[in-house]
Amino acid sequence: EIVLTQSPDFQSVTPKEKVTITCRASQSIGNNLHWYQHKPDQSPKLLIKFASQSFSGVPSRFSGSGSGTDFTLTINSLEAEDAATYYCHQSSSLPWTFGQGTKVEIK
Amino acid sequence: EVQLVESGGGLVQPGGSLRLSCAASGFIFSSYNMNWVRQAPGKGLEWVSYIDTRSATIHYADSVKGRFTIARDNAKNSLYLQMNSLRAEDTAVYYCARVVLPLFPFDYWGQGTLVTVSS
Repeated sequence: EIVLTQSPDFQSVTPKEKVTITCRASQSIGNNLHWYQHKPDQSPKLLIKFASQSFSGVPSRFSGSGSGTDFTLTINSLEAEDAATYYCHQSSSLPWTFGQGTKVEIK
Repeated sequence: EVQLVESGGGLVQPGGSLRLSCAASGFIFSSYNMNWVRQAPGKGLEWVSYIDTRSATIHYADSVKGRFTIARDNAKNSLYLQMNSLRAEDTAVYYCARVVLPLFPFDYWGQGTLVTVSS
């Protein structure tokens, strides 16, 4: 099983600040890494697919990078509505797995 | 608009059974593979099961293999999860999620249905 480790687990950020979340895979997964935003009592929303491709309708302040084992989600100029938990997910091999999540709080 | 609506959750005793449903609309259901993903209280997301468009390929997480059965009815635009021999650790919000192909991300998710396993 491929283990995804996110860091940090929690981040408290002021609006307009830049947020960087990393996801490290226990083995190489190419670019088969995706990012989701999950708010309480809502369905998870796909933000970034295949490491760096923005999903339809996602604000341009969200971007992704990386390949192999190390990946990054960046939120430029954080907005209040971005308060959520962010998860990475690998689709390279079964069982498909998720990172443990990074909770982003707005100061 | 793509919509996935789960139902069937509730309180069940350990060892009991429950059947979840996911009603799909706004897209051609028979053209998409589907998954179940769960989130235990205070925990992260855990993939549970996958089924392809024709029900020919099915996968399960080891934690549910032999106890859960995924199925779909393309004529009814519906996805199902039959859960037997339920354990306390199966307590979670269960989401259905759409996927184009196995290597692809889960592009749309339902709002989830809560399953509580407790005596």
